[in-house]
Amino acid sequence: KAGVTQTPRYLIKTRGQQVTLSCSPISGHRSVSWYQQTPGQGLQFLFEYFSETQRNKGNFPGRFSGRQFSNSRSEMNVSTLELGDSALYLCASSPRDPRMDEQFFGPGTRLTVL
Amino acid sequence: AQSVTQPDIHITVSEGASLELRCNYSYGATPYLFWYVQSPGQGLQLLLKYFSGDTLVQGIKGFEAEFKRSQSSFNLRKPSVHWSDAAEYFCAVGVSGGYNKLIFGAGTRLAVHP
Repeated sequence: KAGVTQTPRYLIKTRGQQVTLSCSPISGHRSVSWYQQTPGQGLQFLFEYFSETQRNKGNFPGRFSGRQFSNSRSEMNVSTLELGDSALYLCASSPRDPRMDEQFFGPGTRLTVL
Repeated sequence: AQSVTQPDIHITVSEGASLELRCNYSYGATPYLFWYVQSPGQGLQLLLKYFSGDTLVQGIKGFEAEFKRSQSSFNLRKPSVHWSDAAEYFCAVGVSGGYNKLIFGAGTRLAVHP
């Protein structure tokens, strides 16, 4: 079974631009979570989607948004990019529907904001 | 608020030596606990998890961890380290009812001397 895939793997943007990152979960997984990883703040939870509904959201500004499609694929969008948004963005999928389950992570998208 | 502390930022061990990585959590109820490993440029791989039951859990790659409620700890151990174990290790707590939201520790970077 293929793992979690994220595209693109690397991205360079300039301040003020917007960016969309994509995540395809493991086949059959319906929950997708997003995390931001930076050297200064570590790994931080952004949001989680299940069956196209956002069930939980971390403490990030409204510039960070996401969505999930009927095939469970998910996208996250960051508008008006800031230098501090440079990070590794990780997507994870979970196989079941309890409120807490093990998560399988993708390789991440490395975003650099210049 | 929930939090995870990994007191050791860097640890260096010799190949073949035993390993213990410390993790302390702050959470009011019974936590869901995880250890993940991240190799450079990669996503996170789940080593093991504790949801309930036996407090000594076995994971992949010869790792184990012990949940000690009285000490709010979930330390990761391996009896004999291999050079390929060099990576960064993250302890995480899942929030009950938190819809797959994980709170991560800052990580411990493990170096292995030949």
